[in-house]
Amino acid sequence: KAGVTQTPRYLIKTRGQQVTLSCSPISGHRSVSWYQQTPGQGLQFLFEYFSETQRNKGNFPGRFSGRQFSNSRSEMNVSTLELGDSALYLCASSLPGAKETQYFGPGTRLLVL
Amino acid sequence: QKEVEQNSGPLSVPEGAIASLNCTYSDRGSQSFFWYRQYSGKSPELIMFIYSNGDKEDGRFTAQLNKASQYVSLLIRDSQPSDSATYLCAVKEDMIYNQGGKLIFGQGTELSVKP
Repeated sequence: KAGVTQTPRYLIKTRGQQVTLSCSPISGHRSVSWYQQTPGQGLQFLFEYFSETQRNKGNFPGRFSGRQFSNSRSEMNVSTLELGDSALYLCASSLPGAKETQYFGPGTRLLVL
Repeated sequence: QKEVEQNSGPLSVPEGAIASLNCTYSDRGSQSFFWYRQYSGKSPELIMFIYSNGDKEDGRFTAQLNKASQYVSLLIRDSQPSDSATYLCAVKEDMIYNQGGKLIFGQGTELSVKP
C-alpha cells in the first residue's frame, strides 16, 4: 500500500507571499493531520481534518488554514508568509478510531526569504 | 499547557548495547503513546505504539508504559549504527470521546550508536 505523499517536496518563497501544500493520505485513511517542525519549537500540531471537516486545531495564527476534499486529500495554505514560517511541514494520515495511529509523509520543506 | 518531556541527548551507546530512551507527560488522561524515529532530513517513522501499562516488545524494541508515573520508555536492544537517529515520543491528547488525532511531541532524544 502506498504511503502518504506530499507535494511539493521543497519550496522557496519570499515574505508576504502565500503558499499551498498538498497531502494525499494512505488509501482508506480518512483523517489527515498537519504539523510544523522547526529546530527551535520541534513538532507542533497545526490542524486535523476528518470527513472534510476540521476536527482539531492547534495554536497557530489564522494565516494558517487548510481543507480536505471528498477523496480525503488535504491542502494547507499559509498566507502572508513570514520568515519564521520556514519549516518542515508534515502531513500524517490515520484510520478513524480510538487509537488512530498516525503515519507521516515525507514533508514539504519551506524556506521563506 | 500539556507537555511531553524528553532528554535531548545526545545519548551515545556502543554497538550491541541497550539504548534506553525516556519520556514523561503531563496529561494524566492520555491513553495512547507513540515512539517515532527520525533520521536527519527525513520525516518521522512510527516504531512502536503502546496503550496499556506494562511492556510491549517488537523485535529489538521494547516500549514500557507506566500511567501512574506518567512515564513512557523505549529500549533498543543490540543497538546498531543504523539506529542512530532522533527518537520522538508522542502522546495523543485526551479528547472528548477520544476523537481526533492531535499528537503532542517531545523535543526528541538524539541517539548515536558507535561502532
